[in-house]
Amino acid sequence: GENVEQHPSTLSVQEGDSAVIKCTYSDSASNYFPWYKQELGKGPQLIIDIRSNVGEKKDQRIAVTLNKTAKHFSLHITETQPEDSAVYFCAATPLGSARQLTFGSGTQLTVLP
Amino acid sequence: NAGVTQTPKFQVLKTGQSMTLQCAQDMNHNSMYWYRQDPGMGLRLIYYSASEGTTDKGEVPNGYNVSRLNKREFSLRLESAAPSQTSVYFCASSDVNSGSSGNTIYFGEGSWLTVV
Repeated sequence: GENVEQHPSTLSVQEGDSAVIKCTYSDSASNYFPWYKQELGKGPQLIIDIRSNVGEKKDQRIAVTLNKTAKHFSLHITETQPEDSAVYFCAATPLGSARQLTFGSGTQLTVLP
Repeated sequence: NAGVTQTPKFQVLKTGQSMTLQCAQDMNHNSMYWYRQDPGMGLRLIYYSASEGTTDKGEVPNGYNVSRLNKREFSLRLESAAPSQTSVYFCASSDVNSGSSGNTIYFGEGSWLTVV
């Protein structure tokens, strides 16, 4: 089955700096890679996703890059703000198989004011 | 817009007791899921239901049972709770028939369960 590894487990950045979280996956059949943000006491929420037919996707201050050859993908947050502080999860699955979604272990991002 | 609603939010059980976590979604999704979240281990799938009337085991099904009561509701039952089942439980739903968004999973707010 799929194995998703996520690094780092904790990340602290100064407000305004950039944050990068990296994930690797093992199953070459995976072609859909979502990122979820989980605020304290809440359920995870989808913030951005990417499919294997593109190498990069942006949404305002958030971007995700994908290297299918190396089987890794990354989340980039620019101009970080205190409200970006949360736990971020990456995940991977073959498209159309939500039940096969495999999550990384999570990254606790803290944005220091 | 309620989305995915699960109850209770907090529960303390004694070892051997039973309980049911309730979940309902109002997005007319076909598929529903139960995950558990433990520190450093991300989210692990316990059971899922691809559509009304069907259920299947996920990665960590032992000690749990589920019921897909109708399209809206999917419950998780602990028949004889054990301390190893202390965790945060998330119900979720998705619509696999919605084309490009079929993989998007929507989560509830979570249920904190402690077994002593």
